[in-house]
Amino acid sequence: AQSVTQLGSHVSVSEGALVLLRCNYSSSVPPYLFWYVQYPNQGLQLLLKYTSAATLVKGINGFEAEFKKSETSFHLTKPSAHMRDAAEYFCAVSVEYTGNQFYFGTGTSLTVIP
Amino acid sequence: DAGVTQSPTHLIKTRGQQVTLRCSPKSGHDTVSWYQQALGQGPQFIFQYYEEEERQRGNFPDRFSGHQFPNYSSELNVNALLLGDSALYLCASSLQLQETQYFGPGTRLLVL
Repeated sequence: AQSVTQLGSHVSVSEGALVLLRCNYSSSVPPYLFWYVQYPNQGLQLLLKYTSAATLVKGINGFEAEFKKSETSFHLTKPSAHMRDAAEYFCAVSVEYTGNQFYFGTGTSLTVIP
Repeated sequence: DAGVTQSPTHLIKTRGQQVTLRCSPKSGHDTVSWYQQALGQGPQFIFQYYEEEERQRGNFPDRFSGHQFPNYSSELNVNALLLGDSALYLCASSLQLQETQYFGPGTRLLVL
């Protein structure tokens, strides 16, 4: 079975500071991994994805994530936070043999302090 | 390029009623998945449709049913609504069961 754990339901950073959102996954087979962002009262927007190519993945809005198999992690980072980054972030895992259904974490709410 | 669209945006129902939510996939996509997102939680997978058949199903009761039409659009039906069914219902589309899914804005259902 697949699962995702997001450590820290709330993260606060100052504008311009490093953003680090943590995601650990569990999967018995090689996974696909995703980060989505959700702004208030909106759907999910794809930030980036890992699909077994390069382990360091670059996404939109300056975000990137690194797949570390030995640590079963896929942490999301951004060097310098901007006010517009304040949102809910979800990590998700899927595997091909289950039709790529997503298993989501419980989300991390990012607050950016001016 | 039209993204995933869902209707209605908001809906209020009472316990015991039935509801139908609709989804049109992103242009060129043929696979539709439905998710339930309760307040403060991550989305939970309900089911997935491809070639007009239910391919995968999550841990949801039979009160939740769906359909996919030949134009790839989809409906989610929920019967005998419970207060706990209040949530944001998200539709996601992909191409041929591939891994990358694109989400619509959701339908917010409130059951009173």
